[in-house]
Amino acid sequence: ETGVTQSPTHLIKTRGQQVTLRCSSQSGHNTVSWYQQALGQGPQFIFQYYREEENGRGNFPPRFSGLQFPNYSSELNVNALELDDSALYLCASRPGSGGGTDTQYFGPGTRLTVL
Amino acid sequence: AQSVTQLDSQVPVFEEAPVELRCNYSSSVSVYLFWYVQYPNQGLQLLLKYLSGSTLVKGINGFEAEFNKSQTSFHLRKPSVHISDTAEYFCAVSASGGYNKLIFGAGTRLAVHP
Repeated sequence: ETGVTQSPTHLIKTRGQQVTLRCSSQSGHNTVSWYQQALGQGPQFIFQYYREEENGRGNFPPRFSGLQFPNYSSELNVNALELDDSALYLCASRPGSGGGTDTQYFGPGTRLTVL
Repeated sequence: AQSVTQLDSQVPVFEEAPVELRCNYSSSVSVYLFWYVQYPNQGLQLLLKYLSGSTLVKGINGFEAEFNKSQTSFHLRKPSVHISDTAEYFCAVSASGGYNKLIFGAGTRLAVHP
C-alpha cells in the first residue's frame, strides 16, 4: 500500500475523444510523475510536476498535458485519442523536488482502452 | 541519455530454487539504479535501490542486487523463491542529476512453479 490512488481503474474511449485521469498523492509529496505502460513493455516517462509546475517532460506530444493541485491531487489529460494511447497509466509521487534519491511511490494505474 | 536492457523476457523457475534476473544499463553520467516488482493488476513496488556506497544492496522479500560499474550491470538475485514471487520485475535507472525521471527496461516475467 503506497498511499497513492488513481481513478478510474478502467476506462474505454473511442479514437478522437479526450480523457482525464486522476491521481491522489500522499500528503506532503510535492512531486508527481506520470508514466505510460503499453502492454508487454516497461513504463515510459510522460512528464513530472513539482508544486504545480511542469519541470520535466519525456518524448510525448503536446496533446498529453497535466495539472497538479495544492491538495496533492493531479490530472493527466490526453486529447485527440489514438489507438496507440491504449495503455496502463501510472502516477508516482515523492517528497521533495523530484531529484536525487527520493523513492517514487506508484499508484495502481488506470487501464485506458481506445477503440 | 540512459537505457536499460533486461536480458530475459521470461524466467521460469521451481519453488525454492535460486534465481537471477539480469539487467544491463548504459549511461554517460552517474546513475541511480532500481528494481521494481509489479504483481498482476497492480502498480509498481520498489524492491531495492542503489544510490552509492556498498555495491551489494539488500531489499524487501529476500531480494538483493549487485551493482557492477565495470560491466554496467545490476542483476537481481534471490536464493530461494516462493510461488508468491511470481510477478513482472522491472529494472530502472535515473541520472543522478536533473529531475530524476526513471528509465525502465522492458521487464522480466518471473514464473515460479511448484
